[in-house]
Amino acid sequence: EDQVTQSPEALRLQEGESSSLNCSYTVSGLRGLFWYRQDPGKGPEFLFTLYSAGEEKEKERLKATLTKKESFLHITAPKPEDSATYLCAVQPYTDKLIFGTGTRLQVFP
Amino acid sequence: NAGVTQTPKFRILKIGQSMTLQCTQDMNHNYMYWYRQDPGMGLKLIYYSVGAGITDKGEVPNGYNVSRSTTEDFPLRLELAAPSQTSVYFCASSYGLGEKLFFGSGTQLSVL
Repeated sequence: EDQVTQSPEALRLQEGESSSLNCSYTVSGLRGLFWYRQDPGKGPEFLFTLYSAGEEKEKERLKATLTKKESFLHITAPKPEDSATYLCAVQPYTDKLIFGTGTRLQVFP
Repeated sequence: NAGVTQTPKFRILKIGQSMTLQCTQDMNHNYMYWYRQDPGMGLKLIYYSVGAGITDKGEVPNGYNVSRSTTEDFPLRLELAAPSQTSVYFCASSYGLGEKLFFGSGTQLSVL
């Protein structure tokens, strides 16, 4: 069965304290893996798409990486405005998009 | 561009009432989706459409209906509302299968 698991559920960081969020997946064939950011009371907003193991993408303080079993979202020197819930989603070749339950990130000044 | 627009933003229904959640997009996307999001759960697909006149069930379609008469609009109909339908509903669209999704701002629905 296709599955997506995100960890940790919640993460509290001091401003400037770098860390990583994990997205583990099990799918029969991966078409693509997506990262979204969701602010309270808003819809998810697209961050990255990764297609193959070894691929990396960066945007400001965020870097997403992909292996055959998991993806990491690395946050370098986070700021309070990075506080949000980060969602991972996996698109199998033969099924619908599957979302993880998200990691709620809080960055304190 | 407005992107994906959902209305209303909030709604309270009584058990047994019906309502329609509106969704429109101005990006000429073929694919449109309805998701629900419950605390601690991932986004669950209710219905989706690959083009005008074509709709299909997602993971949790019971108690809902959709139609797609135009490329722009994809309304979600709730018939005989139940407390289990209390949730946040998101409409989304994409250019094609496997492409990134553009989400609306959501509808917070409570059924009491």
